Amino acid sequence: LAKTTQPISMDSYEGQEVNITCSHNNIATNDYITWYQQFPSQGPRFIIQGYKTKVTNEVASLFIPADRKSSTLSLPRVSLSDTAVYYCLVGDISNYGGSQGNLIFGKGTKLSVKP
Amino acid sequence: EADIYQTPRYLVIGTGKKITLECSQTMGHDKMYWYQQDPGMELHLIHYSYGVNSTEKGDLSSESTVSRIRTEHFPLTLESARPSHTSQYLCASSASLGQFFGPGTRLTVL
Repeated sequence: LAKTTQPISMDSYEGQEVNITCSHNNIATNDYITWYQQFPSQGPRFIIQGYKTKVTNEVASLFIPADRKSSTLSLPRVSLSDTAVYYCLVGDISNYGGSQGNLIFGKGTKLSVKP
Repeated sequence: EADIYQTPRYLVIGTGKKITLECSQTMGHDKMYWYQQDPGMELHLIHYSYGVNSTEKGDLSSESTVSRIRTEHFPLTLESARPSHTSQYLCASSASLGQFFGPGTRLTVL
């Protein structure tokens, strides 16, 4: 089970780039890194997933160093609507679930974007 | 449109009642999950299924039960609700690119 560590909270202002780093020192060879966003009273929403180097989509970028022991979610030019909790998960995407610990949500990082 | 649905969205009931929370997905995913989340707290996996007739308990002990008779349907049942069951229940299904969550059911047991 690759346990993850993220900052509990972060503050930012509109228009800034926000980088949230997640540590996963025990990541296994078959593990992927996935980030989710959750608004209050809603289910988490998939943001981005990667295995190594850099992945970019229309919402965010994910940077993964060569040793894969950490990853950084980058949100460009955040707006007030990006205020949410962001979760970093590490697991074998071919074998989700249960005590195998493939998809365990930690406390996440509460991002607050101010005007 | 492919999606995952949960009903009801909100439920307030009295202690001792039997309830079933419905979850359906139209994405054809084999894997489905139930999570429990209290406000401002972590999500805890309480049940999961890898396919029809497959159900397993998750990391958080729960008095609820689940069934998976059809691929698209994964209902959760509480035989006798108690105030300690008050929480938000989130259903999810997964493919290789992560999990897709439903809108959740907020349950309040009086």
